[in-house]
Amino acid sequence: EVQLVESGGGLVQPGGSLRLSCVASGFSFHTYWMSWVRQAPGTGLEWVANIKGDGSKKFYLDSVRGRFTISRDNDNNSLYLQISSLRAEDSAVYFCASTAGYLNSWGQGTTVTVSS
Amino acid sequence: DILMTQSPSTLSASVGDRVTITCRASQNINSWLAWYQQKPGKAPNLLIYKASTLESGVPSRFSGSGSGTEFTLTISSLQPDDFATYYCQHYNAYPYTFGQGTRLEIK
Repeated sequence: EVQLVESGGGLVQPGGSLRLSCVASGFSFHTYWMSWVRQAPGTGLEWVANIKGDGSKKFYLDSVRGRFTISRDNDNNSLYLQISSLRAEDSAVYFCASTAGYLNSWGQGTTVTVSS
Repeated sequence: DILMTQSPSTLSASVGDRVTITCRASQNINSWLAWYQQKPGKAPNLLIYKASTLESGVPSRFSGSGSGTEFTLTISSLQPDDFATYYCQHYNAYPYTFGQGTRLEIK
């Protein structure tokens, strides 16, 4: 059974940083592109970033490029999102997902709240 | 960026009804479109990809069609478990974008 479990969210002040983690199991993690998608309270879904299975290619939403960094550790079946220079509009539930373009398996999400 | 527009934003229907949700792309995305169902407090769940391919385990009452810029998700006979919010998403190019969602509520 595919499982994706996120962690690392929390309350952070504007301008602060967090590192989100996602541990995967039940599939060949290193062969899959992975994504981060976020959902602000009461709103829709927003794709944030993708990373190729071997980590060699990364793509970002324009509004987070330069502030967010996606990475992975295939030895530990883990995906990361380093988020910095946080703004109020970055407050959201952050989901990790395996992707083939479409997002076929999702974690339960971790909540980031940016507030002073 | 490709803008995805869903209609309607809210749909009221009854158990047993046939319902259709439309998703329009601001430019040609071929068939690179997925549909998701999301219930409150839960992660989205993939229903359909490549516009019309049913994800494994998804009931056959769900179907998708379309190509280019206009797509539809149809539920042939609504079940109580189907009342949720539905999103379309293109994956034709970066950035991937989602429709704003269609909330399907009980009439």
